[in-house]
Amino acid sequence: QSALAQPASVSGSPGQSIAISCTGSSSDLGAYNYVTWYRQLPDKAPTLIVYDVTQRPSGVSDRFSGSKSGNTASLTISGLQAEDEADYYCSSYTTSHTWVFGRGTKLTVL
Amino acid sequence: EVQLVESGGGLVQPGGSLRLSCAASGFTFSGRWMHWVRQGPGKGLVWVSRIKGDGSYTNYAESVKGRLTISRDNARNTLFLQMGGLRAEDTGVYYCVRDGDHWDFDLWGRGTLVTVST
Repeated sequence: QSALAQPASVSGSPGQSIAISCTGSSSDLGAYNYVTWYRQLPDKAPTLIVYDVTQRPSGVSDRFSGSKSGNTASLTISGLQAEDEADYYCSSYTTSHTWVFGRGTKLTVL
Repeated sequence: EVQLVESGGGLVQPGGSLRLSCAASGFTFSGRWMHWVRQGPGKGLVWVSRIKGDGSYTNYAESVKGRLTISRDNARNTLFLQMGGLRAEDTGVYYCVRDGDHWDFDLWGRGTLVTVST
């Protein structure tokens, strides 16, 4: 199972919006609406920020939103803040009953 | 407090074995699927294995099949990963992760580092 494709890095200024794409195949992103997004701060464990493509766990800011079209999902962060600087990973359940992650995207807030 | 605490990592030679443990607290452990997820140094996340709440079902990533075994002891609220035939590419931080019931991972431990090297 190949990793999902994500841009290695994205950047934006405070207050701006950015989007991180996540591209897979008909065996993962295209097969189910079980797309999740995680944020990982340096030397910390990942935390869940979006599940089921668009849903946010309790306590996660509504500045984070998810979407999906075909084999590609996206995470949009609006009103960028300095504390959003982190690595972001997408993930999907697959038709092989396993999970696959993206390679990760480093977000830099300029 | 709801938490997962891993232990058992360390330095092991190629071909060697190691047993990781994960102590769960603050939730009904036996009612939740559990997973192991690995992160190589400076690399991304890789799903390794999962186990059903009652231990009756397990599955694995192709890269670890036949070498790693997931298990659990619900009486002790503990998850295990028995690792054998270790390779350099198995090096990384191993996270114990709770299944969030939405095909997601809603609670992560801090991880334990496994280094496979001579």
